[in-house]
Amino acid sequence: DTAVSQTPKYLVTQMGNDKSIKCEQNLGHDTMYWYKQDSKKFLKIMFSYNNKELIINETVPNRFSPKSPDKAHLNLHINSLELGDSAVYFCASSQDFTPYGYTFGSGTRLTVV
Amino acid sequence: DQQVKQNSPSLSVQEGRISILNCDYTNSMFDYFLWYKKYPAEGPTFLISISSIKDKNEDGRFTVFLNKSAKHLSLHIVPSQPGDSAVYFCAPGGYNQGGKLIFGQGTELSVKP
Repeated sequence: DTAVSQTPKYLVTQMGNDKSIKCEQNLGHDTMYWYKQDSKKFLKIMFSYNNKELIINETVPNRFSPKSPDKAHLNLHINSLELGDSAVYFCASSQDFTPYGYTFGSGTRLTVV
Repeated sequence: DQQVKQNSPSLSVQEGRISILNCDYTNSMFDYFLWYKKYPAEGPTFLISISSIKDKNEDGRFTVFLNKSAKHLSLHIVPSQPGDSAVYFCAPGGYNQGGKLIFGQGTELSVKP
């Protein structure tokens, strides 16, 4: 029973397409995050939501739009995909912004061709 | 602007010996420093942490040392085991940062039998 699950695990798509990555956590956490791991291996935060409210919105192109229908779900929608969007995207959750309880999903490898 | 640097992309150690992974940072306002461990095709998992008011924290085979004046921390693993082979990320954060962590680019540790 996976604590933080992301789907799909792999996603290959063409430039210009629109795609979504889904994330669900069953830990009862109230905060969820999206991180992007780029080709240089840095993990950088993109967004965080607390009880469905957007808390952190880093400098991310408007083509990326997170959506949190409830506190157990945080989806990431990407419009007009570009080659530079190719990366591994990690979803994570925690309780009350507590970093010690961060739980990551296993990642979604997005490849834009 | 890389706030967190792990200058050794890889480290190879013999089983039973000590592994020392280093991390340098530039922001003196971090409140805590976390280490995450990552296996291939999995998300990072929390390993050990240290508060900015401490200089050492120990948990079994893992010890983290913090030198605030040098803005440097290190993770010691002793004795190293083959199962410790993974990528290790240093990830500091602040209490007023909404749970955001700043990750280094990781050090890949290989422990040889």
